[in-house]
Amino acid sequence: GAVVSQHPSRVICKSGTSVKIECRSLDFQATTMFWYRQFPKQSLMLMATSNEGSKATYEQGVEKDKFLINHASLTLSTLTVTSAHPEDSSFYICSATDRGNGYTFGSGTRLTVV
Amino acid sequence: AQSVTQLDSQVPVFEEAPVELRCNYSSSVSVYLFWYVQYPNQGLQLLLKYLSGSTLVKGINGFEAEFNKSQTSFHLRKPSVHISDTAEYFCAVSSMDSNYQLIWGAGTKLIIKP
Repeated sequence: GAVVSQHPSRVICKSGTSVKIECRSLDFQATTMFWYRQFPKQSLMLMATSNEGSKATYEQGVEKDKFLINHASLTLSTLTVTSAHPEDSSFYICSATDRGNGYTFGSGTRLTVV
Repeated sequence: AQSVTQLDSQVPVFEEAPVELRCNYSSSVSVYLFWYVQYPNQGLQLLLKYLSGSTLVKGINGFEAEFNKSQTSFHLRKPSVHISDTAEYFCAVSSMDSNYQLIWGAGTKLIIKP
């Protein structure tokens, strides 16, 4: 079946530094990738949608200059949290789909900013 | 606009008893429907999905769901639960018109009592 690899699974960084999270579709072409954030005991919050080769579409309230998304190929999308602060600590999950027939999720990245 | 309602935030049930997790959606177009499970401290895993065809969909781990267009529901069922089913369950809907963006329910925590 479809597999999406997301890494790192956990990262601890100092306040003010940047962190890059990668999301790769291993055996299918991901026409669209999604980035979610999950706060404790809450549902997923969609941050942005990216189609290969185009700029990401950010949801209202998500700072595009802080959460940089790049979807340079049909198998790779990256989320960079720039100048991270403790309030950015969260669980980030990516998802990939090939024209909506199914969604495959990465295993998530637990970001802790100290 | 599409929306998904999971009426129960928590469902406690005894081990080996049947369970139903409710999901209702609102949409004016044809939809794709999904159930995902999230085990503690893990990413999301697809349980089952409805894209077209038979309205009764069987998934992994003994779960099944029935698409009811007239009631706009996609309830998840399992005839006999195990302690290992303890997790958070999310219902989601998407359509071509929304660029395949998944609209999520708030989640239902399934609590298995011994």
